[in-house]
Amino acid sequence: GAGVSQTPSNKVTEKGKYVELRCDPISGHTALYWYRQSLGQGPEFLIYFQGTGAADDSGLPNDRFFAVRPEGSVSTLKIQRTERGDSAVYLCASSPSVNYNEQFFGPGTRLTVL
Amino acid sequence: AQSVTQLDSQVPVFEEAPVELRCNYSSSVSVYLFWYVQYPNQGLQLLLKYLSGSTLVKGINGFEAEFNKSQTSFHLRKPSVHISDTAEYFCAVMRGSNYKLTFGKGTLLTVNP
Repeated sequence: GAGVSQTPSNKVTEKGKYVELRCDPISGHTALYWYRQSLGQGPEFLIYFQGTGAADDSGLPNDRFFAVRPEGSVSTLKIQRTERGDSAVYLCASSPSVNYNEQFFGPGTRLTVL
Repeated sequence: AQSVTQLDSQVPVFEEAPVELRCNYSSSVSVYLFWYVQYPNQGLQLLLKYLSGSTLVKGINGFEAEFNKSQTSFHLRKPSVHISDTAEYFCAVMRGSNYKLTFGKGTLLTVNP
């Protein structure tokens, strides 16, 4: 079956611009996670959703970052007033429920802020 | 809070040689332990996981790992590597009641002919 998909695969933007990154989880998965992977680092947790609600957003670095999942499926990570330090690969993962220990990852979106 | 240390950032080996990638973690509570592999331009793929029970865990592609509670380690091993095993490997922990994964910085395994 189809895995987690993320669009776009690459995004280049200028400092100060607004970007949206999309994640399509595996069909039927109720839990959805966002991570950020900076160069040379492991992924770092940003936020996770159980259904439509953000159950834990403690990893969002500041109020320029926001994520939604209005219908409990597709999620969008939104970054306002992008900064060069936001450049990273943004990974999305999903799992059948929050109690299911394995998370299935998408290929990521590489964001470059010039 | 939990943390993960991967002791080697790069491990070069020759094809058919054995390999061990080291991982140590710190946590004040029980955790679940994972190894993920990331091939170039691909997402993370789960190799194996330890939740409870037997401390020796077998995963895909001939990899295995051993959970050692006293040493807080979860080292990954393979007795004979292939060129196709060249990838970045990440160790991760999850606290039982907290669904976030905390990753190490990764180990780049390069298998040379």
